Amino acid sequence: ETGVTQTPRHLVMGMTNKKSLKCEQHLGHNAMYWYKQSAKKPLELMFVYSLEERVENNSVPSRFSPECPNSSHLFLHLHTLQPEDSALYLCASSPDSGPYYEQYFGPGTRLTVT
Amino acid sequence: AQSVTQLDSQVPVFEEAPVELRCNYSSSVSVYLFWYVQYPNQGLQLLLKYLSGSTLVKGINGFEAEFNKSQTSFHLRKPSVHISDTAEYFCAVKDAGNKLTFGGGTRVLVKP
Repeated sequence: ETGVTQTPRHLVMGMTNKKSLKCEQHLGHNAMYWYKQSAKKPLELMFVYSLEERVENNSVPSRFSPECPNSSHLFLHLHTLQPEDSALYLCASSPDSGPYYEQYFGPGTRLTVT
Repeated sequence: AQSVTQLDSQVPVFEEAPVELRCNYSSSVSVYLFWYVQYPNQGLQLLLKYLSGSTLVKGINGFEAEFNKSQTSFHLRKPSVHISDTAEYFCAVKDAGNKLTFGGGTRVLVKP
């Protein structure tokens, strides 16, 4: 595997379910990110981790809970979601979290909340 | 707070014609500018970036962009498009912090 991978690629869940999204980067990067991409809205940054420490939480509801056990893996734990949470969730990584570094994106997980 | 405006939500263009995608940003401080492309069912891929130096930046797949500080713009151009350029294009801005702020995207549809 190369680059940034995300599993699952598609997920359908009910509002009472608990599920997790997984992201793995094979680039040796130190920073990882979660973004939400909704129809007709710009990409929204959700969380930033640098060296496994959360450095930004962009006013995300508590029903989204990130976890970064090491610099290669990032999870997004989901519980009691709402239909408006249906979106494409993108993971990204970069060599560091500073402004100069480009971000490398995974293919995303398409989440549908029913 | 930063904001990024992509003036055109959709741009239809014929194959081998030129295309320009417009991007304006709000910040008055030093910024770093990026263009990303998203092909169907894929994540975002970097096309090019401006960090400093020459205001004309060349990227992959024949794309280039020009940074204009006085107009706070970073428009993307390609002189001759291919069918394979059909995708959504995102302009993004970073200041000194961690946050990458994206525009709303421009969907390019290349017609034969």
